[in-house]
Amino acid sequence: NAGVTQTPEFQVLKTGQSMTLQCAQDMNHEYMSWYRQDPGMGLRLIHYSVGAGITDQGEVPNGYNVSRSTTEDFPLRLLSAAPSQTSVYFCASTFTAGSGELFFGEGSRLTVL
Amino acid sequence: TQLLEQSPQFLSIQEGENLTVYCNSSSVFSSLQWYRQEPGEGPVLLVTVVTGGEVKKLKRLTFQFGDARKDSSLHITAAQPGDTGLYLCAGDRGTYKYIFGTGTRLKVLA
Repeated sequence: NAGVTQTPEFQVLKTGQSMTLQCAQDMNHEYMSWYRQDPGMGLRLIHYSVGAGITDQGEVPNGYNVSRSTTEDFPLRLLSAAPSQTSVYFCASTFTAGSGELFFGEGSRLTVL
Repeated sequence: TQLLEQSPQFLSIQEGENLTVYCNSSSVFSSLQWYRQEPGEGPVLLVTVVTGGEVKKLKRLTFQFGDARKDSSLHITAAQPGDTGLYLCAGDRGTYKYIFGTGTRLKVLA
């Protein structure tokens, strides 16, 4: 079972470059979300989606865009990377929002120079 | 400002000791979850509590949801090296946003 798949696993960018972190799930989950994890701050919610065509902002959305054209995919775009976006990014999904279990990907480790 | 504050931030104990980790907020949550994360991996769910005052036990782990649904605790009895990891609480306020706590990094020494 693939579950939640994130790519790439590692990425190094220069300031101002753009890139997309990919997230795909094969569990037919309606809810998908992106988090960033920094030392001492746990996980902070960037954007989330409750279904195809529906996205909304989380706690720290600035500098990131998302779209949800299919149930399976939820890419995260950095339009102009900044050193403050150096972090580990996790994608998570669950069948429906609420008290459902969040299933996480393995993470994407991004360094912005 | 973090909506969910965890304490302690770090904990290093000897095998066999007991410990408690706290997750506190000034906001009410409709449910609260605890996850454990190991290095290089994503968090994995341990338990979900939904009722104020609820207590759930998972082998040596005991989870409690506060009566007012603003706080939770995780108690580990007779800790083992395999319990080492980052423990995260996460709350849902019924707004489709799962908010995570600041995390407690536990190290159990053999």
